Amino acid sequence: LAKTTQPISMDSYEGQEVNITCSHNNIATNDYITWYQQFPSQGPRFIIQGYKTKVTNEVASLFIPADRKSSTLSLPRVSLSDTAVYYCLVGDIKGKLIFGQGTTLQVKP
Amino acid sequence: DVKVTQSSRYLVKRTGEKVFLECVQDMDHENMFWYRQDPGLGLRLIYFSYDVKMKEKGDIPEGYSVSREKKERFSLILESASTNQTSMYLCAHGRDTEAFFGQGTRLTVV
Repeated sequence: LAKTTQPISMDSYEGQEVNITCSHNNIATNDYITWYQQFPSQGPRFIIQGYKTKVTNEVASLFIPADRKSSTLSLPRVSLSDTAVYYCLVGDIKGKLIFGQGTTLQVKP
Repeated sequence: DVKVTQSSRYLVKRTGEKVFLECVQDMDHENMFWYRQDPGLGLRLIYFSYDVKMKEKGDIPEGYSVSREKKERFSLILESASTNQTSMYLCAHGRDTEAFFGQGTRLTVV
């Protein structure tokens, strides 16, 4: 399974756009890129998934360059409630999900 | 609403006891997972099941076993609980790469 590397923590302010980049240099052809969000005392929640180029939903956007060796989760205009841990996962459609350490995002007023 | 039911929210067991953690889903999903989460160590996969009676080891299967006799139920078994198995245990189910997590069971082994 491809290993992912992402920053341990990030700080932002309310109303800003936040971009969290994940590196996955040995991603395989069959692998998808998936992001999860976890609030304290809760299980992770699926945010977005992509294979290549750009994906957007009501929560976030996911940018994937042509070589697919990295991806960027973009959260538009964050609020205090977006404070959470964000996980980048890479794996095939079979769905064996391996989580890394994640990025702790702290949104400040 | 997607539902993942874990048998207990909090559990206290003694060292050496056999412990069963149960997880039930009502979405007919093929995939089910057991994770443990510890401060500073993130979320670690113990076992993954992709069909009834089918399982794969995760990163930390030692000291654990699993059972999936029916599609909707995935059980985690600690054959002989030890204090280093004190943790938050999270069950999930899903299809493809989208998984739905329960609230977790906080297990304390004394």
